Amino acid sequence: NAGVTQTPKFQVLKTGQSMTLQCAQDMNHEYMSWYRQDPGMGLRLIHYSVGAGITDQGEVPNGYNVSRSTTEDFPLRLLSAAPSQTSVYFCASSRNREGANVLTFGAGSRLTVL
Amino acid sequence: DAKTTQPNSMESNEEEPVHLPCNHSTISGTDYIHWYRQLPSQGPEYVIHGLTSNVNNRMASLAIAEDRKSSTLILHRATLRDAAVYYCILRDRRASGSRLTFGEGTQLTVNP
Repeated sequence: NAGVTQTPKFQVLKTGQSMTLQCAQDMNHEYMSWYRQDPGMGLRLIHYSVGAGITDQGEVPNGYNVSRSTTEDFPLRLLSAAPSQTSVYFCASSRNREGANVLTFGAGSRLTVL
Repeated sequence: DAKTTQPNSMESNEEEPVHLPCNHSTISGTDYIHWYRQLPSQGPEYVIHGLTSNVNNRMASLAIAEDRKSSTLILHRATLRDAAVYYCILRDRRASGSRLTFGEGTQLTVNP
């Protein structure tokens, strides 16, 4: 049981380049979310999804796009990377959005934008 | 969403109990209290959660105040591997627990 898988683990981009961070889960979870974590800081919610075809914005959505075409996958797209997007990105999922359900996190993707 | 407040840092000695506090004075009656921890260079991992009653599992215990405005995560015997950032968050029991916000958590240092 792989849980939540994030790829790539590390990525270096130049300003203005685009890329997609991949997140996949094999637990049939309805709820998925993306967080970013800057050095010494807590986690900030970027986007989340409560099921296939449904996405919504979190605290810091600007500069990021998401889609949820399948239950398993929740990719995060950076259309034009900026140095301010240098961060560690975590994907998390749970069975659904009800309060008793716990989050399972991926190992993270470290992104550097030059 | 209701917010939580935690101390920035705490220190403990190995093999001693640790009590990590969390204040959530604006908690609603339908909010679950969740605790997660993040070891260095890893993703957060689930520790424990509860609604009203105290909870125990193999990792820790969760003590919830009678008025639910605060809770305490208890590590019964701290080990060096427990050194991590501990996050306390609230998640609504109803089907609206979508926007989960994490504060900066408590950095726990365990001294040998």
